[in-house]
Amino acid sequence: EAQVTQNPRYLITVTGKKLTVTCSQNMNHEYMSWYRQDPGLGLRQIYYSMNVEVTDKGDVPEGYKVSRKEKRNFPLILESPSPNQTSLYFCASSSSHTDTQYFGPGTRLTVL
Amino acid sequence: GENVEQHPSTLSVQEGDSAVIKCTYSDSASNYFPWYKQELGKGPQLIIDIRSNVGEKKDQRIAVTLNKTAKHFSLHITETQPEDSAVYFCAAQFKTGFQKLVFGTGTRLLVSP
Repeated sequence: EAQVTQNPRYLITVTGKKLTVTCSQNMNHEYMSWYRQDPGLGLRQIYYSMNVEVTDKGDVPEGYKVSRKEKRNFPLILESPSPNQTSLYFCASSSSHTDTQYFGPGTRLTVL
Repeated sequence: GENVEQHPSTLSVQEGDSAVIKCTYSDSASNYFPWYKQELGKGPQLIIDIRSNVGEKKDQRIAVTLNKTAKHFSLHITETQPEDSAVYFCAAQFKTGFQKLVFGTGTRLLVSP
């Protein structure tokens, strides 16, 4: 089954404790993105990747890092999480041949 | 700047009624406009999309219309059913970044039996 998976689905952590949210897709898509969803703000792009080893900032990149060492994986790294990063995070992927983005199930992060 | 406005933020209808959600976008160069449905606890799923060379597109009970001159597009759901209850997001693709989608703020649709 074609899908985007994220782990963990839920995470509660404390300020300053480094964490990684994993994202993997099995559709051989070139493009991958991370979004955060906050009430009243919709989905905002954090980072995106056009292919292996090619990443760039989205609209709200502060406090986040990403890497793309393999085509299927695109982890989101919070080196020193803060309470304002409490949010619902989505990973998405798409092919270079279409515009359709496929979203993962989301990761709900709470930073205390 | 890149902006998509979406209205209303909440919409309550009776089963069988029609629902309309409207979006406007800021960049006249945008040429791809998808609509996503997000059910509770799930990620957004594409339900319909339209490109700028088309004015209207239908898929069973769902239709999208696009007015490029006015820079707005709308989602129409006819004969609504309780399972249509969800949050709906519009988006526009901007040319400043690869496949960059800018999303509206979402509409919570509630269909009452």
